[in-house]
Order: sequence, then C-alpha cells, then structure tokens
Amino acid sequence: NAGVTQTPKFQVLKTGQSMTLQCAQDMNHEYMSWYRQDPGMGLRLIHYSVGAGITDQGEVPNGYNVSRSTTEDFPLRLLSAAPSQTSVYFCASSYVRTGGTYGYTFGSGTRLTVV
Amino acid sequence: GDSVTQMEGPVTLSEEAFLTINCTYTATGYPSLFWYVQYPGEGLQLLLKATKADDKGSNKGFEATYRKETTSFHLEKGSVQVSDSAVYFCALMDTGRRALTFGSGTRLQVQP
Repeated sequence: NAGVTQTPKFQVLKTGQSMTLQCAQDMNHEYMSWYRQDPGMGLRLIHYSVGAGITDQGEVPNGYNVSRSTTEDFPLRLLSAAPSQTSVYFCASSYVRTGGTYGYTFGSGTRLTVV
Repeated sequence: GDSVTQMEGPVTLSEEAFLTINCTYTATGYPSLFWYVQYPGEGLQLLLKATKADDKGSNKGFEATYRKETTSFHLEKGSVQVSDSAVYFCALMDTGRRALTFGSGTRLQVQP
C-alpha cells in the first residue's frame, strides 16, 4: 500500500551512540517533515523539507541532522544520542494542490529509548 | 511564532453524549487548520480540515468550523461512541513552511 514507511519501529540506544531513522514515501509528495511526540507536549517539529535538496529547521532541531537527496527519502540522524531524545518519532509527507489544499500522511512512528 | 492551544484532558463522556474540544490558534496570515486523531499505539490520522475562514470540515460525524474572528477551530460531535476514544490534536499549517504546528492533544475517554 502507498504511504509513509518508517524504520525501525523500535530502537534502544546507549548514550553517545549515533543512528539514522529512515523515512520513505512513494506518493511523490514534495513536502516531508519529522516530529517528535512527548507526553503532554503534542508533536513538535524537528526538521522539514519542501523539496529535494532543501531542508530547514523546526522548533527542536538540536542534536538532529537531515538531508533530502531524493523526493522519496528523508532520513533523520541522531548525532550523539542523549536520554532527552527518548521519544516517539513521526515522519510525515504532504502534497499541495491548486487552491492551497494539503494532505499530510504520517508514518506509524519509531519508538526510541536512549539509556 | 505560530501556536495552537487546546483544552486539557482527559475528557470523559458517556456514550451518546455531545462532544466539544476547544482549539484556538495564533498565526500570521491565513493558515489551514486540521484535526488529527491518534488511536492507542497508532500514528496520526487526518480527521478533518479547513483551508479558509468559515469553511466547515466534517468526517465520521465530527465537525469543526474555521472561525477567523475568534481564531478558533473547535471540534464537535453530536453523539460519541466508545470507539471514538483516542487523543485528538488540533494543528495548523502556515503557507510558508508547509509544516504542521500541533496543540498538546486532548485525550477523550468514552464510557459505555
């Protein structure tokens, strides 16, 4: 089925380790973004991209890097994991249609624990 | 910057009760507004949306009207079911970033 695929679904890291959360979409969406979800805080934007080769920071970018070399993929890299990065991470992609309508599709999430 | 404020939960209702979850926003320009729903252990699903003032979004018996004068987008449903138990997020998208800004979420618990 078409959609947004995130891997892995679960991950445990030790403090200081690095890793990449993968996100891929097969809907040819221009816009992609990463969010983290923490209890009582809703979802907060980490990084976003409005097209291949273009990325920008969201509300909470520190400790994370992204790149967008293709339309389909938008990986999120944790440079040196910290316990404060324990969270559930969601990737999302969106189309834009004439008249300004948008349709965001979310992946199923990656639950990350940093010990 | 942009922000979204939702009523805190949890909201506990009996089946067939009327639901209102308040949402107000602060944004420059004319954002699009959304309600997302998250069922336990799952990701977010789009529930409804509105892209301009006075638009009404509706889906599965839920409705919300884009009120520019009060900067609000309250979610309503006339008769809730146990299956509506979930966390509901109000969100906006500004025309520049094309990324969503979320409220903190409201947990709804519907008892039989």
